[in-house]
Amino acid sequence: QVQLVQSGAEVKKPGASVKVSCKASGYSFTNYGISWVRQAPGQGPEWMGWISAYNGNTDYAQKVQGRVTVTSDTSTSTAYMELRSLRFDDTAVYYCARDSGGAMVKVDMWGQGTMVTVSS
Amino acid sequence: DIQMTQSPSSLSASVGDRVTITCRASQSISSNLNWFQQKTGKAPKLLIYSASSLQSGVPSRFSGSGFGTDFTLTISSLQPEDFACYYCQQSYSTPTFGGGTKVEI
Repeated sequence: QVQLVQSGAEVKKPGASVKVSCKASGYSFTNYGISWVRQAPGQGPEWMGWISAYNGNTDYAQKVQGRVTVTSDTSTSTAYMELRSLRFDDTAVYYCARDSGGAMVKVDMWGQGTMVTVSS
Repeated sequence: DIQMTQSPSSLSASVGDRVTITCRASQSISSNLNWFQQKTGKAPKLLIYSASSLQSGVPSRFSGSGFGTDFTLTISSLQPEDFACYYCQQSYSTPTFGGGTKVEI
């Protein structure tokens, strides 16, 4: 079946980096994009970035641009999101999601989420 | 960025009620509007895309309407499994979400 499986929870110190993976299965990886969305505790979702698995084109939210990089590996059908210079307010659940068209045009499948905690 | 304003932020309803949630964009977004349902501890679930298209597998009691700046999500007859938080999201430009509407008993 179609699914996205993310890597496990992470605890990082301020200033560190985190890299979350998202492995796709059950569909043709290069026919879709992947968006990354985070959700801080008790808050609504926030879009962070998008990658086309077809050609590697990317788009990022201005709020995290310069600190975030989204990549994909078509040989393993896996997308990655790296966030650098972590701050306390980066503590959130990070989701990957399958995306038709451009960023968040139609997101119909989500990963299970990865909790990233930034703590000293 | 385009601001998305949802109302109400929460509502109390009973099984069988008709529920309407509204979402207003700070500028015209054509029909580039999606609705998600989220339950505690789970990822969001797509209900409606392109303002009014029902996502496959979603019950027909959910419907969406609107164009430009004003949109609505309607649940025609609330079921026990519908108690959740609902978010609108625009994809006209840099994606943004509304603040959410919590539907409670």
